[in-house]
Formats: sequence, structure tokens, C-alpha cells
Amino acid sequence: IAGITQAPTSQILAAGRRMTLRCTQDMRHNAMYWYRQDLGLGLRLIHYSNTAGTTGKGEVPDGYSVSRANTDDFPLTLASAVPSQTSVYFCASSDPIQVYEQYFGPGTRLTVT
Amino acid sequence: TQLLEQSPQFLSIQEGENLTVYCNSSSVFSSLQWYRQEPGEGPVLLVTVVTGGEVKKLKRLTFQFGDARKDSSLHITAAQPGDTGLYLCAGARGTASKLTFGTGTRLQVTL
Repeated sequence: IAGITQAPTSQILAAGRRMTLRCTQDMRHNAMYWYRQDLGLGLRLIHYSNTAGTTGKGEVPDGYSVSRANTDDFPLTLASAVPSQTSVYFCASSDPIQVYEQYFGPGTRLTVT
Repeated sequence: TQLLEQSPQFLSIQEGENLTVYCNSSSVFSSLQWYRQEPGEGPVLLVTVVTGGEVKKLKRLTFQFGDARKDSSLHITAAQPGDTGLYLCAGARGTASKLTFGTGTRLQVTL
């Protein structure tokens, strides 16, 4: 593993189902982030974690939850998916020194039907 | 509310042309980053600027941070097809590590 990995690559999900998007980094970065990217709206922050054991809400947190049990993993859970959560989801992390410089995973394309 | 506005939204040019992309805000940022994103991939960091008036060059790409740290520009000289992609600016405010992203400029460079 090098950098950030995300799984699955893509998923079609029925509305009302629960789904967890996985994110793992091997750079020992303290901070991690989840974004969604929608056409015309750019990247919007969903949740973030400045260090293991802590999480915070971003711009669009409703309908999503996160946990940060350790440094490497930062899963994003949709408890009951809705069609408006159809999007491309990106996980990112940042170096503890250069905290503003974020490194992104390849993304998960999620379609909620 | 979109704090960072990018212009133009779309740009289609021929190889060898020059172009400038703008990132504007009414807010002051402590630093500003530029990313490039290719289809099906995550954004990749190009540069960070932190000082008002700062200019950084990355081969044919020139980045400038406005004097008041509210805006930035990206200038590409002699564009090549490999420059094709979505260019995103992102600003950090204060000591927080959270970034605010612009809506992006989609650039296509054709032969």
C-alpha cells in the first residue's frame, strides 16, 4: 500500500440500505478527511479527524458518520442511504507539519437508487 | 455559500497557447493550494502559497497569491495536452487544517 486506498471503487446501493466506505492511509498522517464531489458544487467536506480518537463535522455532515479508532483508518458510514447521496466520495489525509497540504485517495463512486 | 470562485469554469485551447485561471474570494486565507484532478482520480497537490504577493513556478505553471491573500492565479505557458484536467484552488483559514475548495476550472488542451 502506498498513500491512500479507498474501497469499494464504485457501488450501486438501494435507498435505505446502510453502507460503509473504507479509507486507509499508510503515511502516518494525523489528520484525515472525507469529501463528496458533485458537478457544479466542487469538493465539500463531510467529516474530518485531526487525530485518532477525535472527529468533527464539516460542511455537509447530515446522513453520514465517521469513526477514527486508529491513525490509519477512517471509515465513512451512510446509515440509511438516500438518492441525494449519489456522488463521488474522496478520502484525504494531511501531513502533521504541512497540515494544509492534503493527499487524496482515488475515490468511490456511489449511486443510490 | 461558495467562498472561493474560480473562473473560467471551462476552457478549451490548442496546444501552445497560454492561459490564466483565477481564484477569487472576499475572505482572507492563511494559505492557498492548487490541485489538478484527472478523470477517475483524486486531486493531486501542485503547489501551496502562503505569503501575500508570493509567486511560485512549477515548470510551465506560474502561481501567484494576491497581496491581500484573497485571490490567486494560475498561469500556464505553452499548454500541452498533458495539462488537461480539472484545476482546483483551495484555501485554508487560520490554524485549522480544513480547506475550502473552489468549484474548479476544467481545462482541455487539444493538438
